[in-house]
Amino acid sequence: DAGVTQSPTHLIKTRGQQVTLRCSPKSGHDTVSWYQQALGQGPQFIFQYYEEEERQRGNFPDRFSGHQFPNYSSELNVNALLLGDSALYLCASSLVLSTTEAFFGQGTRLTVV
Amino acid sequence: RKEVEQDPGPFNVPEGATVAFNCTYSNSASQSFFWYRQDCRKEPKLLMSVYSSGNEDGRFTAQLNRASQYISLLIRDSKLSDSATYLCVVIKTGNTPLVFGKGTRLSVIA
Repeated sequence: DAGVTQSPTHLIKTRGQQVTLRCSPKSGHDTVSWYQQALGQGPQFIFQYYEEEERQRGNFPDRFSGHQFPNYSSELNVNALLLGDSALYLCASSLVLSTTEAFFGQGTRLTVV
Repeated sequence: RKEVEQDPGPFNVPEGATVAFNCTYSNSASQSFFWYRQDCRKEPKLLMSVYSSGNEDGRFTAQLNRASQYISLLIRDSKLSDSATYLCVVIKTGNTPLVFGKGTRLSVIA
């Protein structure tokens, strides 16, 4: 039973570029949430997807957008990258909008230079 | 005031020691509470849920004080493998986002 998988594991981008991160949820899960974890901080909620729609959103600018596909996998897109976007991006999957049984992927470490 | 506050540490303790972490939360409507463990450069993993009656899992004991809005984690007989960052997590209801504290770093020293 595959857990939550994210790709790529590491990424280096230049300021102003765009990036797409990918997440496949745990088998049987239909809800995907994305979090940003800056160095020395706890993860911060970006948004949550269920039934291919954004259901909840944290305090992140519109440069952060996402998508969920019919197979429940999800993408996180960030446009016009800033140095401050450098962080570990975590995907968490759960069942039917619940977040109490959330499982995290290993994360994508994004470095913006 | 941050929603979830923790002492960042680091806590440096010898093997075998008992160590306790506290966490306070600001939203009195919060309903569910957890401790997650995060190893260096890895993803957070659920350590244990925290119930009003308190709960224990081996060497780990978690307590919740709703009146004072704080959560605690006690680790007895610390092992080297307990070295990690411990994240306090709070949610309002079952489908609202996890709200994390900054984490408390623990180093267990031989």
